[in-house]
Amino acid sequence: AQTVTQSQPEMSVQEAETVTLSCTYDTSENNYYLFWYKQPPSRQMILVIRQEAYKQQNATENRFSVNFQKAAKSFSLKISDSQLGDTAMYFCAFMGGTASKLTFGTGTRLQVTL
Amino acid sequence: ETGVTQTPRHLVMGMTNKKSLKCEQHLGHNAMYWYKQSAKKPLELMFVYNFKEQTENNSVPSRFSPECPNSSHLFLHLHTLQPEDSALYLCASSQDPGESSYNEQFFGPGTRLTVL
Repeated sequence: AQTVTQSQPEMSVQEAETVTLSCTYDTSENNYYLFWYKQPPSRQMILVIRQEAYKQQNATENRFSVNFQKAAKSFSLKISDSQLGDTAMYFCAFMGGTASKLTFGTGTRLQVTL
Repeated sequence: ETGVTQTPRHLVMGMTNKKSLKCEQHLGHNAMYWYKQSAKKPLELMFVYNFKEQTENNSVPSRFSPECPNSSHLFLHLHTLQPEDSALYLCASSQDPGESSYNEQFFGPGTRLTVL
């Protein structure tokens, strides 16, 4: 079974600074997908970024980028130039190569301050 | 309405009540999901429906009864719940998981359930 671990329950960052959220996972599969989801206080969960395990290049979406280390089973999210609107719960999630089931971590609550 | 909607947004019920949660997706998807989100725990997948057929029941107690009358609507019928069932219940939808190795799941805003 797959597991996803987020070891930082809460983090804080000042506006315009950079913050990195950690995620590790465990799987015996070789092909899979990794995701970071954002859940703002309004609660609608939205996809921030995804990474295909077969791609060596780290995914990037505007101010959001990942550091994917397949051998170490690590998948961290870097948020550059943090904005107040980035305040939210961030969930790391795993999906096996041919499955639709998402396995989530426990989340990291990020607070962006002035 | 666009995306995935859920009603009600908040629900308070007693242990002897019967209530239902509703989810509707306007994305033309074929698969729908129920998740339970409790504080300090990972989201737990409860049920998966694909083309109206239940394809996964993640050992959910029978006091939770899902219904999927068509690919756009998903219900979760609740009866004789326990206080520990209080949580945020999220619905999601995606394209048919069998057609591709990856299909993004789109989430609704959730129903905050409190069982007294």
